[in-house]
Amino acid sequence: NAGVTQTPKFQVLKTGQSMTLQCAQDMNHNSMYWYRQDPGMGLRLIYYSASEGTTDKGEVPNGYNVSRLNKREFSLRLESAAPSQTSVYFCASPRAGTGETEQYFGPGTRLTVT
Amino acid sequence: SQQGEEDPQALSIQEGENATMNCSYKTSINNLQWYRQNSGRGLVHLILIRSNEREKHSGRLRVTLDTSKKSSSLLITASRAADTASYFCATAGNNRKLIWGLGTSLAVNP
Repeated sequence: NAGVTQTPKFQVLKTGQSMTLQCAQDMNHNSMYWYRQDPGMGLRLIYYSASEGTTDKGEVPNGYNVSRLNKREFSLRLESAAPSQTSVYFCASPRAGTGETEQYFGPGTRLTVT
Repeated sequence: SQQGEEDPQALSIQEGENATMNCSYKTSINNLQWYRQNSGRGLVHLILIRSNEREKHSGRLRVTLDTSKKSSSLLITASRAADTASYFCATAGNNRKLIWGLGTSLAVNP
């Protein structure tokens, strides 16, 4: 049981480039979440998916798109990267259907945009 | 928006001592959770306390919740060097989202 996996672990992009962050969970959970973590800002929710086929905006969705590909996979896309998107990105999956239960996190993707 | 505010921001103790971290929040909650994050890693869930509970234990962890004061504390007893990490509180309301604090950085010195 790998839990929540994320790829890539590190990425450097130039301003304007695009990329997709991948996340997969093998716990058969319905919900999946994308956060970004910045120094002094804590964790901020970008998008979440309460179930397969649904996605909703979180606190900081601008500049991002998401796809819930199937129950296991939830990807985050940066269409035109900006330096303000330099951050550590975490995918998480709550144990139960709602986000208020304990969440299982992936190891993170460290993204630098120059 | 950040609801949980951890206090202190940083804490340095000797191995074997107890570490206490506090979390304050602003709105009503269904539960409050504590997570640990080791350097360069993802967050790991430690303990969840529901709004109708006052105290909960898990191994060397003790969490208290005072809903009248909108605050919680996490006590780690007999700390070890391996407890060195950042600790975050997160509050859960009715909207499928957790609201996170900024964390307490704990250093346990051997």
